[in-house]
Amino acid sequence: EAQVTQNPRYLITVTGKKLTVTCSQNMNHEYMSWYRQDPGLGLRQIYYSMNVEVTDKGDVPEGYKVSRKEKRNFPLILESPSPNQTSLYFCASSLMTPTYEQYFGPGTRLTVT
Amino acid sequence: QKEVEQNSGPLSVPEGAIASLNCTYSDRVSQSFFWYRQYSGKSPELIMSIYSNGDKEDGRFTAQLNKASQYVSLLIRDSQPSDSATYLCAVNKNNNDMRFGAGTRLTVKP
Repeated sequence: EAQVTQNPRYLITVTGKKLTVTCSQNMNHEYMSWYRQDPGLGLRQIYYSMNVEVTDKGDVPEGYKVSRKEKRNFPLILESPSPNQTSLYFCASSLMTPTYEQYFGPGTRLTVT
Repeated sequence: QKEVEQNSGPLSVPEGAIASLNCTYSDRVSQSFFWYRQYSGKSPELIMSIYSNGDKEDGRFTAQLNKASQYVSLLIRDSQPSDSATYLCAVNKNNNDMRFGAGTRLTVKP
């Protein structure tokens, strides 16, 4: 089954404790992206990647890191989480040509206390 | 000015009516435009994509694009209660990063 998976689905952590949210896709997509979703603000892009070892900042990259060492994986790293990073996070992937029609993962609900 | 703007709603229509959802964008060089549907507690799923001016129809859904006016719309004909969701407009900027509107919540009343 074609899918994007994320782990964990729910995470409660404390300020400053490093964490990683994993994202994996099995569709051989070049393009992968991370978003956060907050009430009233919609989806905001954090980082995206157009291929292995190619990453770029999105709209709200501060406080986040990503890596793309393999085509199928695109982990999101919060090295020192803060309460303002409490949010719902989505990973997505797509082909780049002819379209950028994205498939989204199930989401990760992160709470930083 | 937000890069992608949508009426926040909520928009309420009776079952069987046409629901009209609107979106404007600020970056004139944007090339690709998308509508996603998001049910409460779920992830967004793609409904329509449109790349050139005019209309694109897929079943009960029609996307309309007017690049000169920087305007994208989604029409849902014969609306069903199962169409009740938040609809997200997304724009792919020329440098490949995506911008989403805040979404319009649609309720279809039986």
